[in-house]
Amino acid sequence: DQQVKQNSPSLSVQEGRISILNCDYTNSMFDYFLWYKKYPAEGPTFLISISSIKDKNEDGRFTVFLNKSAKHLSLHIVPSQPGDSAVYFCAASATGSQGNLIFGKGTKLSVKP
Amino acid sequence: NAGVTQTPKFRILKIGQSMTLQCTQDMNHNYMYWYRQDPGMGLKLIYYSVGAGITDKGEVPNGYNVSRSTTEDFPLRLELAAPSQTSVYFCASSYSRGLGGSSYNEQFFGPGTRLTVL
Repeated sequence: DQQVKQNSPSLSVQEGRISILNCDYTNSMFDYFLWYKKYPAEGPTFLISISSIKDKNEDGRFTVFLNKSAKHLSLHIVPSQPGDSAVYFCAASATGSQGNLIFGKGTKLSVKP
Repeated sequence: NAGVTQTPKFRILKIGQSMTLQCTQDMNHNYMYWYRQDPGMGLKLIYYSVGAGITDKGEVPNGYNVSRSTTEDFPLRLELAAPSQTSVYFCASSYSRGLGGSSYNEQFFGPGTRLTVL
């Protein structure tokens, strides 16, 4: 059973608009959530994270929102740029798990010029 | 810093052959990980290590072995390659201060090794 779910395999957005990527989780022990970005033929690169004691974290054009009661988080990219086109993975970990990350399947974002 | 480096980038194996995927990090991270990513799927943890001499199984360890003799290196060994091991393999590292591993644990990934078993 998937503990971290990204139900949208793909998303297409116009340049300059907002991109919203969603992630749901089932394990209530998760207390740290991360977003990774992956280009083809490269390893994932860390984008932004949020701990369960917060409901929002912002870094430039990227904002992550966490709704613990709904076990849902989202990544907002504003404004979207063609260089943001990549696969985005949501990941989660729990204290005591040796930092092991559980990944979702990813959402492929395409930003059209 | 080179970060996390992996060799080789690509490899084709025949069924039953063995090989070692190399991983090195120069960030003095104590934690290291091996993941595999199958097409259309997320990354799944194979093995991890919390320090030199200490390794443990992840979600999908069958068919693999690891060792951690130094802080920098974390090789992954396939003894009898099978078609089901065709995948892209990523090594990652992180620094964790807490006992039991802090959750606040950004992992840095290598570029991956694409392995095909025929």
